[in-house]
This record gives sequence, C-alpha cells and structure tokens, in this order.
Amino acid sequence: DIQMTQSPSSLSASVGDSVTITCRTSQSIKSYLNWYQQKPGKAPKLLIFAASRLQSGVPSRFSGSESGTDFTLTISSLQPEDFATYYCLQSFTTPFTFGPGTKVDIK
Amino acid sequence: QVQLQQSGPGLLKPSQTLSLNCAISGDSVSSNSASWNWIRQSPSRGLEWLGRTYYRSKWYNDYAVSVKSRMTINPDTSKNQFSLQLNSVTPEDTAIYYCARGTDGYNYVHYWGQGTLVTVSS
Repeated sequence: DIQMTQSPSSLSASVGDSVTITCRTSQSIKSYLNWYQQKPGKAPKLLIFAASRLQSGVPSRFSGSESGTDFTLTISSLQPEDFATYYCLQSFTTPFTFGPGTKVDIK
Repeated sequence: QVQLQQSGPGLLKPSQTLSLNCAISGDSVSSNSASWNWIRQSPSRGLEWLGRTYYRSKWYNDYAVSVKSRMTINPDTSKNQFSLQLNSVTPEDTAIYYCARGTDGYNYVHYWGQGTLVTVSS
C-alpha cells in the first residue's frame, strides 16, 4: 500500500494568515493526489483534485502544488469558515489511502 | 446533481454481518465513468478506503487488503444502488461508514453519502 504522511498534524492560525499543509507519499503517484476539508459531523468535501485543480465552487484562496512525492495545500488568506480538518487522498492505485489529517484551529 | 442516500442498521453484535445500502440519484450505478466506493472513519484508523465497484463493459471490484476476506460490494441495477456487506464484525469495525462516488480518470471521490455510524458491541 502507498503510505501517506501529512504535516503538521495540527496548527493554530489567525484569520487572514496564509497556511500550508504538506502530504508526502511513499512512492510516485504522478498527480493523483486530492485534498479534502472536513468539518465535525460532516462528510469530507473535495477542494483540490489532480494535485492542483480547483474543484468547481471552491474559493480561489485554496491552491495545490506538487514536487515529486511532496504535495502542498495552501490557503492564502484564512477565513473563519476554513477552520476544519484537512486530508489528502492518493487515488493512483488501489487501495486508495488517506493522510492522517491536519487540524486547523483558531489561534 | 448526484445524491447518495445510505441506509442500514447502526448497532451490531460481534460476529454479525454488517449490511449497508447506498441509493443513487442523479447518476447510474452502471455508469461507464464512475466508481462506487465505501469509506469508513474512526478515531483509531482515520479515514480508510474499503473498496469499490464499477462498470466498464463488465463489473469490477477492488477491496482493501484489511477487509478483503470479509467484504463484498454489490451493485443493484434494478434499484440503482450498491451495497456493502462485512462479515464477522468486531469492535474494531466500529466507525462512520460513507458511500461515495468516484470519477473516471483521476479516480477522486467527489459525492458522499450522509454517513452511518456503526457500533459493534456485545
């Protein structure tokens, strides 16, 4: 199975801050990396697919990038509704695997 | 707009069989450009992809190794739904179970069901 690591596991930030979350995979997955946002009691919501493509309806302050087996989610100006937990998912090969998550809370 | 509606019991005893259904609206379980997935989430295991079924001229299934010997995912074309069956459950199978639609190409999961909390306890 492809192993996923995610860092940091949690972070505290203020409204307006720029935030970066990193996901690293144990082998090459090309661009088959997706980012999700999850709020308590809700299913995950797709933000970014194929490493850098913004899902329709998602604010442009969210962006994704890749460098080899390192993938990054950036929130350029954190808004109150962005406080949540973020997960990466590799969909290159089954079994698909999720990262352990990054919880973003209010400083 | 694709919508997924889950149904099934939320409380099981060890060794019983978990059965969940996921009814699809706005798409077809026989779509040649979709896959139909089951994913679960627990505090101890995080988000865990369990398996999928999809149709590409014939039916295919993929399963996670951790559940492969106990799990079956079946499409039901007459009801436009798909199901999960997990045999011999233990307390380790306690989790929120989600059904979800995956896309062709990059395989990302987009549409999700509402989730079903399944508790395994004697």
